[in-house]
Amino acid sequence: DGGITQSPKYLFRKEGQNVTLSCEQNLNHDAMYWYRQDPGQGLRLIYYSQIVNDFQKGDIAEGYSVSREKKESFPLTVTSAQKNPTAFYLCASSMDRFSPLRNTEAFFGQGTRLTVV
Amino acid sequence: GENVEQHPSTLSVQEGDSAVIKCTYSDSASNYFPWYKQELGKGPQLIIDIRSNVGEKKDQRIAVTLNKTAKHFSLHITETQPEDSAVYFCAASSSTNAGKSTFGDGTTLTVKP
Repeated sequence: DGGITQSPKYLFRKEGQNVTLSCEQNLNHDAMYWYRQDPGQGLRLIYYSQIVNDFQKGDIAEGYSVSREKKESFPLTVTSAQKNPTAFYLCASSMDRFSPLRNTEAFFGQGTRLTVV
Repeated sequence: GENVEQHPSTLSVQEGDSAVIKCTYSDSASNYFPWYKQELGKGPQLIIDIRSNVGEKKDQRIAVTLNKTAKHFSLHITETQPEDSAVYFCAASSSTNAGKSTFGDGTTLTVKP
């Protein structure tokens, strides 16, 4: 089955620790995204990547880091510098950057709920 | 950058009634407008989308309309059912902006049986 997989589903972190959220896709999509969702709010873009070994900051990148060493994988690290990390994190991907329809639907993972304890 | 506003934030309807959710956008370069449905504890899923060269699109009980001049687009759900209850997000993106989508804040739709 093709899709996008996030793990773990639930994650608990102690204050001052870094933690990494996994995102893997087998859709052969070029672009991948990380969003943060807080209760009752929309999706805010943290980082995005259009191609392997390249990524760009989104609207709320402070306190987060990413890497894109493989097309299939786009892990997100929530660092201790992130002041309020408790949230629902969503990873998404979208299709081929060479497609004439460059902006297309995003396929989302099932999310990781991060709680700082 | 793009700014997307979505109204209402909550909507409650009786089963069988219609529901309408409206969004406005600010960037005239935006040319792709998807709508996503998010069920509790899950990621959003696309339910319908529309491109700027089309004014209306329909898929069974769901339709989307786009007014490029006024920069607004709407989701229409007819004959609502309890399983339509979810959070709905509109989004806008431009092919000149890396295909990134800007999302509205969401509408929580409740369909009462």
